[in-house]
Amino acid sequence: AQTVTQSQPEMSVQEAETVTLSCTYDTSENNYYLFWYKQPPSRQMILVIRQEAYKQQNATENRFSVNFQKAAKSFSLKISDSQLGDTAMYFCAFSTSGSRLTFGEGTQLTVNP
Amino acid sequence: NAGVTQTPKFRILKIGQSMTLQCTQDMNHNYMYWYRQDPGMGLKLIYYSVGAGITDKGEVPNGYNVSRSTTEDFPLRLELAAPSQTSVYFCASSFTGVGPQPQHFGDGTRLSIL
Repeated sequence: AQTVTQSQPEMSVQEAETVTLSCTYDTSENNYYLFWYKQPPSRQMILVIRQEAYKQQNATENRFSVNFQKAAKSFSLKISDSQLGDTAMYFCAFSTSGSRLTFGEGTQLTVNP
Repeated sequence: NAGVTQTPKFRILKIGQSMTLQCTQDMNHNYMYWYRQDPGMGLKLIYYSVGAGITDKGEVPNGYNVSRSTTEDFPLRLELAAPSQTSVYFCASSFTGVGPQPQHFGDGTRLSIL
């Protein structure tokens, strides 16, 4: 069974600074997909970024980028130029088929003015 | 474009009561999912469906039932509500295909069992 671990229950960052959220996972599969989802206080689940395991290049979406270390089974999320609207719970998620997701327990990120 | 619509948004049930959480999507997605999110936790998969007439258990299926008679609808049934089922329930849908197809989530149903 796959597991996803987010070891930082809470983090905070000053507006305009950079923050990195950690995620590790455990799997015996060779091909899989990784995701970061954002859940603001509105409770919506919003896809932030995704990565295919066979791609060595790290995914980037505007201010969001990942550091994917396949050998270490690590998938961290970097948020640059943090904005107040980035305040949310962030979930790392794993899928072997692109369909069923296994989620981590989340990291609550607070961006301070 | 409505996306994934869940009803109701809030509900309070008494122990032993039954109810159905409704989920419908208008994106013609073939995959649909039900998750529950307990306070301070990540989402756990209850049931999923790969198409009309096909359903399968996820990680935490006990106490729930589902059906998928159409592509659009995927209702979740609680037969005998228990306090342990107090949670926020999310429905999601996605396409199949090559690569990581993102799941589109509804806004959730907050359910309290008293």
